Amino acid sequence: EPEVTQTPSHQVTQMGQEVILRCVPISNHLYFYWYRQILGQKVEFLVSFYNNEISEKSEIFDDQFSVERPDGSNFTLKIRSTKLEDSAMYFCASSETGTNEKLFFGSGTQLSVL
Amino acid sequence: GDSVTQMEGPVTLSEEAFLTINCTYTATGYPSLFWYVQYPGEGLQLLLKATKADDKGSNKGFEATYRKETTSFHLEKGSVQVSDSAVYFCALSDRGNTPLVFGKGTRLSVIA
Repeated sequence: EPEVTQTPSHQVTQMGQEVILRCVPISNHLYFYWYRQILGQKVEFLVSFYNNEISEKSEIFDDQFSVERPDGSNFTLKIRSTKLEDSAMYFCASSETGTNEKLFFGSGTQLSVL
Repeated sequence: GDSVTQMEGPVTLSEEAFLTINCTYTATGYPSLFWYVQYPGEGLQLLLKATKADDKGSNKGFEATYRKETTSFHLEKGSVQVSDSAVYFCALSDRGNTPLVFGKGTRLSVIA
């Protein structure tokens, strides 16, 4: 069965450093998302992406964050200058139709900012 | 804004026990409601959903009924198995394509 793949599974970085979290969505999917979960808190929506542009973003997704689909297969989340509070599990998701009934999630990247 | 509250875990049950994980929501409209499950080392997977009041979603022996009067969508299973050990997330969306609003997740451990 096709799946969304995220790499790395764990990432440790120093505060102020840039990180790029990588995702390979399911190949025929057109809608891409990032969510995150800070330890002990709710899973939160960050951003959705369609047709090579951001379609929706939350207030969490400030200027420190950016997303890109650099080629036909990868979808990346960049955090320009990490803060301690960016430590979280980051989930990538993709959908063929853009509806939540057909949303597939990756297993997540645990980001630890020291 | 919209929000989801689900019971705190972890929940530990013996095999064949009855499971209930409570979930209540706050929303301005008539949201669609979802339960997602995350097995160890895997991504979140849609377990079941309901799109309107009194709908019952079901899958793999799990059920949840959309109760508008109590704004609830409790997850139930009559007889849990060790393989049901996972984290369960309740979620809603205003419309079929709006971002999901999740609860914190409830970790379930089933022991033999």
